[in-house]
Amino acid sequence: DTAVSQTPKYLVTQMGNDKSIKCEQNLGHDTMYWYKQDSKKFLKIMFSYNNKELIINETVPNRFSPKSPDKAHLNLHINSLELGDSAVYFCASARAGGERGYTFGSGTRLTVV
Amino acid sequence: DAKTTQPPSMDCAEGRAANLPCNHSTISGNEYVYWYRQIHSQGPQYIIHGLKNNETNEMASLIITEDRKSSTLILPHATLRDTAVYYCIVKPVDQTGANNLFFGTGTRLTVIP
Repeated sequence: DTAVSQTPKYLVTQMGNDKSIKCEQNLGHDTMYWYKQDSKKFLKIMFSYNNKELIINETVPNRFSPKSPDKAHLNLHINSLELGDSAVYFCASARAGGERGYTFGSGTRLTVV
Repeated sequence: DAKTTQPPSMDCAEGRAANLPCNHSTISGNEYVYWYRQIHSQGPQYIIHGLKNNETNEMASLIITEDRKSSTLILPHATLRDTAVYYCIVKPVDQTGANNLFFGTGTRLTVIP
């Protein structure tokens, strides 16, 4: 069973569209995250979500919004997509207390054309 | 945001030990040293972490200097599948999810046949 699963794996869409990426974890973890990896391979934290507390990286545009229907899911909604949003997006989860490792999903490659 | 310094790249012969150094001279007393790796096109994978004692698991060993200002990740018998980017990260014990993993540029390890 996949511990952290993301769908879709690939997403190609036009500028201006609205899209969502789904993430689910079956590890019973309390905190979930979204990371963005750009073309230069830098991994940057976008959001963390823990017990309904959302912590946002201040550099993330407000076109990006995480939605968590329950502890096992953290979906990423992106409005008005721009060319610069093209990247690989990784979901991750961790147990509260945080000293143990994060588990990452396999990523969603988003291409905006 | 990254508080660590790593060499950008290293090579290692297959079957030999790979020793990956990391400097974290500004580490605080409550911060752990974490190591992750990212194999091409995959999500980051947790390897090991430690506070001040040396640690070993099925994947690797972590040696932390007594002053905690540097550490070394050791892969005892490198295989071709260990070719990846290795990230050294310092992170405090986290109760809220606010203190997230901040990835630097890492070390690209190439295992040579």
